[in-house]
Amino acid sequence: GQQLNQSPQSMFIQEGEDVSMNCTSSSIFNTWLWYKQEPGEGPVLLIALYKAGELTSNGRLTAQFGITRKDSFLNISASIPSDVGIYFCAGQPDSGGSNYKLTFGKGTLLTVNP
Amino acid sequence: KAGVTQTPRYLIKTRGQQVTLSCSPISGHRSVSWYQQTPGQGLQFLFEYFSETQRNKGNFPGRFSGRQFSNSRSEMNVSTLELGDSALYLCASRDGGTVIKNIQYFGAGTRLSVL
Repeated sequence: GQQLNQSPQSMFIQEGEDVSMNCTSSSIFNTWLWYKQEPGEGPVLLIALYKAGELTSNGRLTAQFGITRKDSFLNISASIPSDVGIYFCAGQPDSGGSNYKLTFGKGTLLTVNP
Repeated sequence: KAGVTQTPRYLIKTRGQQVTLSCSPISGHRSVSWYQQTPGQGLQFLFEYFSETQRNKGNFPGRFSGRQFSNSRSEMNVSTLELGDSALYLCASRDGGTVIKNIQYFGAGTRLSVL
C-alpha cells in the first residue's frame, strides 16, 4: 500500500525559531494536506495543496506541493508556544471523488520552548 | 455550523466485549470516514460511508464494521475487543460528492481503552 514518510519525528525549538518538516511518498498524490492535532482533539486542517509546484501560505505557515507529486513540506516561521502539537501530512490519490482515501504520515511532534 | 460530533469521548471496555461509537457529521455533509489512531501505527483509515453505503474500506479485520443512517449520522462497531484495539477513533465528514477540493473535517475522537 501507499507509504508516507514524515520527518522529523519530533522537534524541540526555541520560541521565535523557524521550523521545517516534510513528507515523501512512494506514490503520486494529487492532493497534499497538512493537519495539526492538539492533545485531546482531532486533527485540524491547516493547508490544502492541489497542484504540483503550488506554494500556499496561511499566516506564518507555508506549504509546498512538490513538483514530482511525491513530496510536500511545511514551514512555520517565528514559532510561538501555541504552535505546540503534532503536525500530520496526508496525501490523497484523487481530487475528492468517490475514491477518497487519505494516507497519513506518522506525524511531527513540535515542542516550543518559551 | 456545528462541527463533527463524536460520542462518547471516552470509553473503557474489557476484552471480548463489543463497542459502538457514534459520529454526527457537519450539517449537509454526506460522507463519513472513520480512522484509528495509535502511537505505533499513526492514523489508519478504517472505512468511508456515503449515502448509507460503504464506499471505501481499509485493511482492518471484519470485527470492525460500520453503518450510516439516512440523516448521515454514522456508527462504528467493534466486536470481540482485543487489547490492541485501544486507540483514539476519529470520525471525519465531508460533502462526499465529486466536488473538487473536497476537504474532510475531523471530530475530537473517542478514546477507547480495552482492559
